[in-house]
Amino acid sequence: DGGITQSPKYLFRKEGQNVTLSCEQNLNHDAMYWYRQDPGQGLRLIYYSQIVNDFQKGDIAEGYSVSREKKESFPLTVTSAQKNPTAFYLCASSTDYNEQFFGPGTRLTVL
Amino acid sequence: QQPVQSPQAVILREGEDAVINCSSSKALYSVHWYRQKHGEAPVFLMILLKGGEQKGHEKISASFNEKKQQSSLYLTASQLSYSGTYFCGTASAGNMLTFGGGTRLMVKP
Repeated sequence: DGGITQSPKYLFRKEGQNVTLSCEQNLNHDAMYWYRQDPGQGLRLIYYSQIVNDFQKGDIAEGYSVSREKKESFPLTVTSAQKNPTAFYLCASSTDYNEQFFGPGTRLTVL
Repeated sequence: QQPVQSPQAVILREGEDAVINCSSSKALYSVHWYRQKHGEAPVFLMILLKGGEQKGHEKISASFNEKKQQSSLYLTASQLSYSGTYFCGTASAGNMLTFGGGTRLMVKP
């Protein structure tokens, strides 16, 4: 079955640590996105990529980094520069500007 | 700028209807609607494009007023499964989606 997978489902980070969230899709979509969702809030765009080896900053990119070396994969690294990273992280993919398909999400907690 | 959704929350009885509104201050190319259950990923409901094209589920309808930069989602004969938070996402030509703050819908028996 085609879809998007994210791992891990839950992640705990200590102060000063970098952590990487995985996102893989087998939908053959060119575009991939990372969103952050805080409790009771909407989705805010962190980074997006419309093609392999290219990505753009979203509205809240500070403290995050991404790579897009393969069409299927778009990992997100939460660096120690992100001072308040506790949130629900969602990865999505789409063709051009069509409907976005979301992965199940990763819940990140800072200890 | 983030689109504004209204109402912020609504409670319905099964079988009742609801309208959720989404308003933007920018000229829009498309409006997307998604529903999210608690702790889960958002699920696509409908996309409305400038010029009148629509793509989405048969049981859900929506409108897009391009002049007013507004969209409304119509939920008729609500079922318990309609409960969740509804988000609109708006896009200007060539730009990424910007999501509203969400409308929490609860359907009671």
